[in-house]
Amino acid sequence: DAGVIQSPRHEVTEMGQEVTLRCKPISGHDYLFWYRQTMMRGLELLIYFNNNVPIDDSGMPEDRFSAKMPNASFSTLKIQPSEPRDSAVYFCASSSRGGGTGSGYTFGSGTRLTVV
Amino acid sequence: TQLLEQSPQFLSIQEGENLTVYCNSSSVFSSLQWYRQEPGEGPVLLVTVVTGGEVKKLKRLTFQFGDARKDSSLHITAAQPGDTGLYLCADSTDSWGKLQFGAGTQVVVTP
Repeated sequence: DAGVIQSPRHEVTEMGQEVTLRCKPISGHDYLFWYRQTMMRGLELLIYFNNNVPIDDSGMPEDRFSAKMPNASFSTLKIQPSEPRDSAVYFCASSSRGGGTGSGYTFGSGTRLTVV
Repeated sequence: TQLLEQSPQFLSIQEGENLTVYCNSSSVFSSLQWYRQEPGEGPVLLVTVVTGGEVKKLKRLTFQFGDARKDSSLHITAAQPGDTGLYLCADSTDSWGKLQFGAGTQVVVTP
């Protein structure tokens, strides 16, 4: 398996623009998580899905953020409009049976977002 | 809300030295996991510990879980430059397996 695949690896955009981050989880993993990592706040969970259904989106900062999982092999995280404070590394991770059962998460390589 | 505290925040050592990093919780861990994150990559799972007092070894890495399941340590023997990275501990915070991560310990091993 190629692992969790995220695209793009780097994104630079201007404030106010729409940004879409993409993720392909590992085949057979039925949990998908979106995290954001910054120096100040570390890894923060934004939202997670089980069997393509959003379970907990309490970590989504505000209405400018939205996430979808139209099928088991694809998810998107959209920011509209983007702001400089959204600059961070965004990670997608997938898991079977939930991360806390010992199987852990498999993370993608992340998307480094810079909003100028 | 559970609080995961990792210490130290930063550790710089020479190749061949030993090091220990710590993870403490304000409440009992459900299932503690250790990850290592290298620059430009996502975290990679190293180990999961579940039982109080448990000790697991992964080559030169030794993981200990406190008897009360509120603390854990990671010891690296004879560190190598390849051990450089951000070491993160994480715990499951709900029945779905949602993980909360500590802030991490940045380890730098110089040749």
